[in-house]
Amino acid sequence: EDKVVQSPLSLVVHEGDTVTLNCSYEVTNFRSLLWYKQEKKAPTFLFMLTSSGIEKKSGRLSSILDKKELFSILNITATQTGDSAVYLCAVEAGSGGGADGLTFGKGTHLIIQP
Amino acid sequence: GAGVSQSPSNKVTEKGKDVELRCDPISGHTALYWYRQSLGQGLEFLIYFQGNSAPDKSGLPSDRFSAERTGGSVSTLTIQRTQQEDSAVYLCASSPSRENTGELFFGEGSRLTVL
Repeated sequence: EDKVVQSPLSLVVHEGDTVTLNCSYEVTNFRSLLWYKQEKKAPTFLFMLTSSGIEKKSGRLSSILDKKELFSILNITATQTGDSAVYLCAVEAGSGGGADGLTFGKGTHLIIQP
Repeated sequence: GAGVSQSPSNKVTEKGKDVELRCDPISGHTALYWYRQSLGQGLEFLIYFQGNSAPDKSGLPSDRFSAERTGGSVSTLTIQRTQQEDSAVYLCASSPSRENTGELFFGEGSRLTVL
């Protein structure tokens, strides 16, 4: 059974701090790893990673994948209160597309205190 | 519309009643997914539609759950004889094509509370 484990489950930091969120996985026929941000209701797409060692970056957020050790990290630098959200990691596996697609972790609930 | 639209946003029902949840995907998106998110849990896959193909129902938790997608667009998730454990947020997502599974566009969900 495909498995995605995120840590920590929750994290409270002060504005300006840097945080690292972790995602490890065990899946058959890995295709890609994705990060989503869920603030209140709808998760919004952040990154899709398919290759090891290539950092994806968007502003203060960055992510990297290690396909040998089967994990990814999501870094947020100079955190702001607007970064407070649940960060979801998902792994796409199988023959591609559709139902054998995404397995989600339980998420990391990040709280940024002013 | 501009995004995935779901209705109702909140639904409170009594145990044993049937409920219908609606999803209107982004226009032109051929793939549509239903997920369930219980408190403190990740997203649990329920069902997947791709165009006019037969849906993959492998994630439906019981035969009380069913879904249809009419004309390759709007989808309805039906839960019959609701139970308290059905209480959750039901999220719908769409994507442009089978090859772009990962980049899902989610609706804001329907929060179901079964009393």
